[in-house]
This record gives sequence, structure tokens and C-alpha cells, in this order.
Amino acid sequence: IAGITQAPTSQILAAGRRMTLRCTQDMRHNAMYWYRQDLGLGLRLIHYSNTAGTTGKGEVPDGYSVSRANTDDFPLTLASAVPSQTSVYFCASSDSQGGDGYTFGSGTRLTVV
Amino acid sequence: GQNIDQPTEMTATEGAIVQINCTYQTSGFNGLFWYQQHAGEAPTFLSYNVLDGLEEKGRFSSFLSRSKGYSYLLLKELQMKDSASYLCAVKDSNYQLIWGAGTKLIIKP
Repeated sequence: IAGITQAPTSQILAAGRRMTLRCTQDMRHNAMYWYRQDLGLGLRLIHYSNTAGTTGKGEVPDGYSVSRANTDDFPLTLASAVPSQTSVYFCASSDSQGGDGYTFGSGTRLTVV
Repeated sequence: GQNIDQPTEMTATEGAIVQINCTYQTSGFNGLFWYQQHAGEAPTFLSYNVLDGLEEKGRFSSFLSRSKGYSYLLLKELQMKDSASYLCAVKDSNYQLIWGAGTKLIIKP
């Protein structure tokens, strides 16, 4: 089934630990995105990639890093997790800068304690 | 700054019609999206407007007025499964999506 796969589904992480959230798409979309969603706030963009080999910073990039070695994979790394990074993380992709909607993964619920 | 405003919560009755409004102030405009998000799930694409006017898609319609920075999502013949959050998002001049906080729609029998 075409779409986006995120892993893990949920995770409890000790503060200070390093964690990589995985995201893989099989739609050959050029652009990929990482968002965090917190109660009462809109989706906030962490990092994005318009095409393989390029990445950019979003609205809330601090404490996070990404890489885009190929079209399909876009992992998000928390170098040293802090409690304020407790959130639901969504990976998304789109195939153009035009009117096509974004396709979202099912999300990763991360709790940093 | 960039801002998307939509009501936090709305309540409607099964079988009725509801209109969810969205106003925006963004640096540039390259389209407005509506997404549906059920609790604990990912957002799913509903509609896209780039020109003024009404776009109809089954029970859902979306309207855009660029001069007023305004859009609405109209849901007809409401069903219990329409209980969800509805997210408004605007693509700005950098082609990045700016998201509203979402409107939680509660459907009562």
C-alpha cells in the first residue's frame, strides 16, 4: 500500500538520550517534511527537504536534525532529548509545490521523561 | 507575523449543516488547504483552493476569498463520523504550509 511509514509508533525516552524517528515513503514524492503537533497548537514545521540531498529548517528546528540521502527516507534525530520535545511527530510528503495535498504518516508519539 | 485563525471548537447536530471559518494573514499566498484529523490519527487531505470561489466535493465544500483572507469549509448532511478536528493551512510565498490550530467539531445525535 502506497504511503508513508513512520517508526516507532510510540516511544518513552529518557532525557539526554539520542533518538532517531524513521520515515519512509514509497510514492516517489520529492518533498518531505517533519512536523510536531502539540495540544492547542497547529502543526509546526521542524525541518523539510524539497528534494533528495537538500534540507531546510522550519519553524522549530532547534534540537533536531535531518538527512535526505535518497528520495524515500527522511529520518529525524533528536541529539539529546529534553522534556519539551514530548509531542506527536508527523512525517509528510508531497510531489510538487502546487496544489497536491500532503500525505501524512501515522505519527510517532514521543514522551521524554 | 503569519497567522491562521479558526474557532477552537464547534458543535452541530447529525444531519445538519456546519460552516467552519478560517482567516489568515500570511507572507504571500499559494493556496489554502483543509484537512480532517480524527483523534489519534494523521491529518487527511480534504480540499484545496487557490482561486476565489467555491469548490464542491460531495458533502464537503470549501470557499476562498483572497481579498478578505478568508475561507470556510461547509459540511452538509452531517454524520457522526464527521466528528474530528478540521485544520486550515495556507501555503505562503516560500511554498511552506502555515497551519491553524484546528477546529474540533463535535456531532451530537
